[in-house]
Amino acid sequence: EAGVTQFPSHSVIEKGQTVTLRCDPISGHDNLYWYRRVMGKEIKFLLHFVKESKQDESGMPNNRFLAERTGGTYSTLKVQPAELEDSGVYFCASNPSGGNTIYFGEGSWLTVV
Amino acid sequence: TQLLEQSPQFLSIQEGENLTVYCNSSSVFSSLQWYRQEPGEGPVLLVTVVTGGEVKKLKRLTFQFGDARKDSSLHITAAQPGDTGLYLCAMRGGSNYKLTFGKGTLLTVNP
Repeated sequence: EAGVTQFPSHSVIEKGQTVTLRCDPISGHDNLYWYRRVMGKEIKFLLHFVKESKQDESGMPNNRFLAERTGGTYSTLKVQPAELEDSGVYFCASNPSGGNTIYFGEGSWLTVV
Repeated sequence: TQLLEQSPQFLSIQEGENLTVYCNSSSVFSSLQWYRQEPGEGPVLLVTVVTGGEVKKLKRLTFQFGDARKDSSLHITAAQPGDTGLYLCAMRGGSNYKLTFGKGTLLTVNP
């Protein structure tokens, strides 16, 4: 069974450009989470989807970040326009309803120059 | 404000040595999880501790939850190079996986 997959694995963009990160959760997992780790900081929660609905988006840093999960399958996280402080690793994770284990993807490294 | 403090931040030891890393908070944990993250990969859940004073073992890894549920430790016996990685503790926010992570302890086990 495939794990959580993320694309791209690495991205370098200029300040002011737009980047879209994609996450494919494990098939059948209703819960999907986005986290990020910026340099020198701990991994921080961004938001949580249950199927296609945003359950909790309290960790989204500002309105330059937009997450979607149309159809309740894969999710995208768009950063527009990107700023230097957005550089970091963006992790996606998923778990089934009632599941006791969460599964993380390998992360998408974003560098804004 | 960081809720979870992990120590030490870095640890480099020789193969065969024992080590302990710590996770502390001023708040009471409802439950605490330990993860290991290897380079280029995402965190992988090792264990969840729930009850104060609980001890769980996973091969050479021993996890302990403090009696007051405000601290936890991870002890590795006879460390091996394959144990190298970033060890993270995390607190769950209720029934879902809104996790609060510590910064982690970066462990290097030299052959």
